[in-house]
Amino acid sequence: NAGVMQNPRHLVRRRGQEARLRCSPMKGHSHVYWYRQLPEEGLKFMVYLQKENIIDESGMPKERFSAEFPKEGPSILRIQQVVRGDSAAYFCASSRAGTGSNEQYFGPGTRLTVT
Amino acid sequence: QKEVEQNSGPLSVPEGAIASLNCTYSDRVSQSFFWYRQYSGKSPELIMSIYSNGDKEDGRFTAQLNKASQYVSLLIRDSQPSDSATYLCAVEIGNNRKLIWGLGTSLAVNP
Repeated sequence: NAGVMQNPRHLVRRRGQEARLRCSPMKGHSHVYWYRQLPEEGLKFMVYLQKENIIDESGMPKERFSAEFPKEGPSILRIQQVVRGDSAAYFCASSRAGTGSNEQYFGPGTRLTVT
Repeated sequence: QKEVEQNSGPLSVPEGAIASLNCTYSDRVSQSFFWYRQYSGKSPELIMSIYSNGDKEDGRFTAQLNKASQYVSLLIRDSQPSDSATYLCAVEIGNNRKLIWGLGTSLAVNP
């Protein structure tokens, strides 16, 4: 499967627990983006990463949320001390490097439910 | 004013008709424009990208861009019931790879 992979597809956490969402970009892609989508709302940009670098985290909440894209392994979106309002679909997308090549391809998403 | 605006719909067209979806954006320095399709409960799927003024055709889909009017549209010819979905317009502001999204237009193609 050469597409963007995300796991888990569904994640249930109790309030106060930690959620870790993983994303492996499409083969040949070095740019990763995380988005959040609430029911009946649009996609909201969270963070843009390249290997070992956070390029733009202007959409990330200041507290409890962090993201990384290590040299080896998938990108991780980490949510600490989850609250009910964190329940949403979290999508990862990837794109190739280079100018004029920002076509972003999405993974299947992780549906996070906080109980 | 929202940065990227779309009519939420629902837009209803009969099978075989042309569906026309519109998107306006507020930032004049926007460089790249994308149309995605999202089925209920699924992730967005890239349909078309367009970077220059004019039309770009791909199969039954045509994207139209008018930077002077800050307007981008998507035409779907010979609409099929399988085209029923939410269509999302995304705009890259500047050249920083950050996409700003419209809320989407819901399209229903009736057999």
